[in-house]
Amino acid sequence: GNSVTQMEGPVTLSEEAFLTINCTYTATGYPSLFWYVQYPGEGLQLLLKATKADDKGSNKGFEATYRKETTSFHLEKGSVQVSDSAVYFCALISGAQKLVFGQGTRLTINP
Amino acid sequence: KAGVTQTPRYLIKTRGQQVTLSCSPISGHRSVSWYQQTPGQGLQFLFEYFSETQRNKGNFPGRFSGRQFSNSRSEMNVSTLELGDSALYLCASSQGDSRLEQFFGPGTRLTVL
Repeated sequence: GNSVTQMEGPVTLSEEAFLTINCTYTATGYPSLFWYVQYPGEGLQLLLKATKADDKGSNKGFEATYRKETTSFHLEKGSVQVSDSAVYFCALISGAQKLVFGQGTRLTINP
Repeated sequence: KAGVTQTPRYLIKTRGQQVTLSCSPISGHRSVSWYQQTPGQGLQFLFEYFSETQRNKGNFPGRFSGRQFSNSRSEMNVSTLELGDSALYLCASSQGDSRLEQFFGPGTRLTVL
């Protein structure tokens, strides 16, 4: 079946550091890929998405490129801020049309 | 445009009771999906409704059920609550027949004692 694997957390960085959160997937067909973010006490917010191979999703300085050859969708940001502290979820949708999530990565940014 | 709303936000029940959670989707959205979030299992899909019909179902026991009304509002019900049902229940809505972009509500935090 479909699955998503994210890098283990938690991840702690200093402000202005470079961020990478790894995400790989297994899916039948041609999935769409997503990154969602969850701030404390809130639901999930869509951060970015990509619907086909080589697409790059971007939002709020975050980027991720859909790599079909490596089945990956790694999240990157060049300079993180304290306000980026949250839990990040990689997810896919394919075939059965239900979101399948990774386990989440907790990110803490220290000033 | 108002976002997805869920009521109640917090709920405390005891084992054996039943509970009903409500979700109002974004205006114009016809698809509503429910997810359970726990520290151990992460985010798991419960079911999806579109135009009052259950279109997709996850691997949860029959104690978990749902429905959708003609105004697209949805409810989920959990009967005979167990301690392991304690979780954050998230509802998400999407537009028309497209399920690519789902918008999530803040969730209902259910605690079973």
